[in-house]
Amino acid sequence: QLQLQESGPGLVKPSETLSLTCTVSGDSISSTSYYWGWIRQPPGKGLEWIGNIYYSGSTYYNPSLKSRVTISVDTSKNQFSLKLNSVTAADTAVYYCARFLQLGPKYFDYWGQGTLVTVSS
Amino acid sequence: QSALTQPPSASGSPGQSVTISCTGTSSDIGGYSHVSWYQHHPDKAPKLMIYEVSKRPSGVPDRFSGSKSGNTASLTVSGLQAEDEADYYCSSYAGSIYVVFGGGTKLTVL
Repeated sequence: QLQLQESGPGLVKPSETLSLTCTVSGDSISSTSYYWGWIRQPPGKGLEWIGNIYYSGSTYYNPSLKSRVTISVDTSKNQFSLKLNSVTAADTAVYYCARFLQLGPKYFDYWGQGTLVTVSS
Repeated sequence: QSALTQPPSASGSPGQSVTISCTGTSSDIGGYSHVSWYQHHPDKAPKLMIYEVSKRPSGVPDRFSGSKSGNTASLTVSGLQAEDEADYYCSSYAGSIYVVFGGGTKLTVL
């Protein structure tokens, strides 16, 4: 059974960098059929796609966040990571990692439980 | 890339049917058949309910169905049950591996 688990600091100061890691178990992150993505949900708001990464390192970002986001992959650890710099209170959200089927049908089929990141001094 | 438009709330009594709409543009919903719907209970991982407009993953009850017309997709829940009460989000592929979500609809079972 595929599982994804987000980890990282729950509190980040304004102007600093938010860093999260998603550990994948039950499947290889090097699978050629899938991308791996980050999605967030600010309190009281809807889901917002942040970006996707392929095991080769190819990345695709939400244009509204592109200037501040970096997603990377570590195939040796079966992990992928999110970095969001220059954070403000507006970046406070529950952050989810998920698997994205890319070949043919396109959708997120497995999600992590999510981790709350609060931006505050 | 703007969010897809969903009604903030929907409701129905047990046994009734409810339809949730999701409106986009010709660049996302109208341009592709890659519309998916997710059920989200508080403090749980979102769950895929519908993909490719109308297909159900294994294990999702056939009470859940999806459709699309032009730039608008819809999720219908028939025979409402108490456990269907949750937030529902639509999503669409928007080309070049870009993904857009709706703002979410809170479904209440009266």
